[in-house]
Amino acid sequence: NAGVTQTPKFRVLKTGQSMTLLCAQDMNHEYMYWYRQDPGMGLRLIHYSVGEGTTAKGEVPDGYNVSRLKKQNFLLGLESAAPSQTSVYFCASSARGTPLPETQYFGPGTRLLVL
Amino acid sequence: AQSVTQLDSQVPVFEEAPVELRCNYSSSVSVYLFWYVQYPNQGLQLLLKYLSGSTLVKGINGFEAEFNKSQTSFHLRKPSVHISDTAEYFCAVSQGRSGTYKYIFGTGTRLKVLA
Repeated sequence: NAGVTQTPKFRVLKTGQSMTLLCAQDMNHEYMYWYRQDPGMGLRLIHYSVGEGTTAKGEVPDGYNVSRLKKQNFLLGLESAAPSQTSVYFCASSARGTPLPETQYFGPGTRLLVL
Repeated sequence: AQSVTQLDSQVPVFEEAPVELRCNYSSSVSVYLFWYVQYPNQGLQLLLKYLSGSTLVKGINGFEAEFNKSQTSFHLRKPSVHISDTAEYFCAVSQGRSGTYKYIFGTGTRLKVLA
């Protein structure tokens, strides 16, 4: 049981380049989330998904797109990277949360540097 | 909208001493609270959570937290810390309704245990 995995672990991009971050979970969770972590700001929600084929915007969605074509995968795309997107990106998943919220399980993170 | 405040960005403490990490929340509806720990270069993992019932919640690694509705607090405590407890600790509150929960994280408290 691998839990939540993220690919790649590290990446350096030049301004304007694009990339996709892959998140995979093997816990059959309905919900998946993408966060970014910046010093002094905690975790901020970028986008999330409540099921296969559905996505929704979080707190800081600008400059990012997501897709959830398969239940186990949640992709985060940067179409034209900017230095402000330098951050550590975490994916998380959880069960549905009915009637009470469920624990989130986090991946190990992807460290992205945009030059 | 709900929010979470972790007033202490860093807390140094000597090994075997007690520690309290403070968390205050703002909410006008049902409150669900979590503490997560992040060890260096890893993702977050759940320490404990309060969903309902007893206001004193026990978690892993000897940590506990008390939900105090009148003070709108959910402080994390450990009676005797170890070097291995050095990590960043995040308080989070869940908002929403059954099946639509989202999570708001505090900015984190970095616990440094000194020998």
